[in-house]
Amino acid sequence: GAVVSQHPSRVICKSGTSVKIECRSLDFQATTMFWYRQFPKKSLMLMATSNEGSKATYEQGVEKDKFLINHASLTLSTLTVTSAHPEDSSFYICSASLVAGNTIYFGEGSWLTVV
Amino acid sequence: GESVGLHLPTLSVQEGDNSIINCAYSNSASDYFIWYKQESGKGPQFIIDIRSNMDKRQGQRVTVLLNKTVKHLSLQIAATQPGDSAVYFCAENSAGGTSYGKLTFGQGTILTVHP
Repeated sequence: GAVVSQHPSRVICKSGTSVKIECRSLDFQATTMFWYRQFPKKSLMLMATSNEGSKATYEQGVEKDKFLINHASLTLSTLTVTSAHPEDSSFYICSASLVAGNTIYFGEGSWLTVV
Repeated sequence: GESVGLHLPTLSVQEGDNSIINCAYSNSASDYFIWYKQESGKGPQFIIDIRSNMDKRQGQRVTVLLNKTVKHLSLQIAATQPGDSAVYFCAENSAGGTSYGKLTFGQGTILTVHP
């Protein structure tokens, strides 16, 4: 079946640096992917909608200059956390579906720790 | 804004018992609902979904019930096993179009199955 993969699964970076997380749709093309953030023992919160070939749509309160999203191909969306701070430490998860109306699959998630 | 919520944050059951996890939603425009299972440190795993034109759907050991009158969703797990221990989230998708795949998650219920 359709699978969504994320890389890296875990990353540690220093404060002030930038880190990139990849989300790939395997076996299918996704014109739209979604990025979520999850703090420990909390639910998933939608950060942004990643649109292939156009700008991402950010949810209210999410800084677009801090969380850069690029969806350059139909199988890859990237989330770059710029000038990372310890409060950016979180579990970042992406999702995609084959076409509208099909099952929505999630990636395995990426743990970001900023030290 | 409108949101999805859960009545019970934790649920403990004995192995072999049936489990029922509940979810309330408030967005009457939502037309698609999904239950996800999330194990520690992993991304959400699709369990079962239901569309608003249905009130019941069954899968392997799981049943989802939708009551649109009271905006209530439930997940029933038959013969619960220790491997079912996880956090369960309900999620809703507002009425189609460009918002398909943009999910709002409930707070989550921690299910613990005792052998």
